[in-house]
Amino acid sequence: DSGVTQTPKHLITATGQRVTLRCSPRSGDLSVYWYQQSLDQGLQFLIQYYNGEERAKGNILERFSAQQFPDLHSELNLSSLELGDSALYFCASSVDPDINSPLHFGNGTRLTVT
Amino acid sequence: AQKITQTQPGMFVQEKEAVTLDCTYDTSDPSYGLFWYKQPSSGEMIFLIYQGSYDQQNATEGRYSLNFQKARKSANLVISASQLGDSAMYFCAMRDTNRDDKIIFGKGTRLHILP
Repeated sequence: DSGVTQTPKHLITATGQRVTLRCSPRSGDLSVYWYQQSLDQGLQFLIQYYNGEERAKGNILERFSAQQFPDLHSELNLSSLELGDSALYFCASSVDPDINSPLHFGNGTRLTVT
Repeated sequence: AQKITQTQPGMFVQEKEAVTLDCTYDTSDPSYGLFWYKQPSSGEMIFLIYQGSYDQQNATEGRYSLNFQKARKSANLVISASQLGDSAMYFCAMRDTNRDDKIIFGKGTRLHILP
């Protein structure tokens, strides 16, 4: 158990809808990262927060947004969903954004858009 | 720009044999960290081992070791005495000290351990 909690585990929704994925980092970790894993794209970095502030942005679509709250949990909001958004979404956390600080991943949220 | 390359999409290895998973990386930053993760069929991402660019010794964690060749920019994962439970996808990843400090991942190698 990595200590990172992601909910829900599975999500099935229709195109055009909006969903929210939730992540609670490991106790003591200030950095939260979101990744998208699809079969043809591998693990794609979406966005990172550190202690409530956005720190780095990857290939995140404008339809997607995220935030980290004062209690350090984070939410990823996906809107106007398309079939291609179906993927496994991971949240990860680390103590700090340091080069020797590994990411610890949650079990992921599997999103299926129909 | 950062880049991680894993050239072996799939590997088949007999149980109890040692296996080496290849990883090469590219970065202009002299300070960086290299990581390996395991993803079993159940989907979770498990952190295995870390190597810092300034570490003098190759990292080891139980049956896992990292063959770090800095001049060649390679960071191969070695699994000794492979077990059936080692069957999984393995990802090499890198983080450097650029302000944009995300960890980037290679495309992975799927390892199959044969009984």
